Amino acid sequence: NAGVTQTPKFRILKIGQSMTLQCTQDMNHNYMYWYRQDPGMGLKLIYYSVGAGITDKGEVPNGYNVSRSTTEDFPLRLELAAPSQTSVYFCASSYPGGDYNEQFFGPGTRLTVL
Amino acid sequence: QKEVEQNSGPLSVPEGAIASLNCTYSDRGSQSFFWYRQYSGKSPELIMSIYSNGDKEDGRFTAQLNKASQYVSLLIRDSQPSDSATYLCAVIRGSYIPTFGRGTSLIVHP
Repeated sequence: NAGVTQTPKFRILKIGQSMTLQCTQDMNHNYMYWYRQDPGMGLKLIYYSVGAGITDKGEVPNGYNVSRSTTEDFPLRLELAAPSQTSVYFCASSYPGGDYNEQFFGPGTRLTVL
Repeated sequence: QKEVEQNSGPLSVPEGAIASLNCTYSDRGSQSFFWYRQYSGKSPELIMSIYSNGDKEDGRFTAQLNKASQYVSLLIRDSQPSDSATYLCAVIRGSYIPTFGRGTSLIVHP
């Protein structure tokens, strides 16, 4: 099992550019999440999905979009990048039920917007 | 507004000592509680979960939950320099969507 994979690892964008952060999990988890983490801060939830075709906003969704066409993939789209979106982005997945709410995290994407 | 509060630290302890990390939460309906460890430049990894009042031990780690007082703590016995990291507290209510605290930075010095 590769677990949760994310691409790219690093990216520098210019203001106004767009990009898609890719996230794939091979654990057949139905829940997937996108977080951002700013220096010295915890994880802020951007969007989450409870299954293919179902997505919902988290705490900080503005400037981002998601889709979930398969169980495995949960890409995050940044439109019109802004310096405020400079952050580390983590994708995670989980299989809620009973006691098993553990989140499995990908390695992260470090994004800089200049 | 659901809140999870942690002292950002850093908490500095000598090698071999007990490190005590604390977390308070505002939502009385919270049901699941987690401690994640995050090394610098890495992603969080789960080290403990707890669901019932009381203590739960796993090796050198003990999680303590007190729902009446709305706090959860993590004790690390015999702290090692390799325990130096940021520890994130996460709380889940029924929706399975966690709320994370800002994390406490732990430094274990030789």
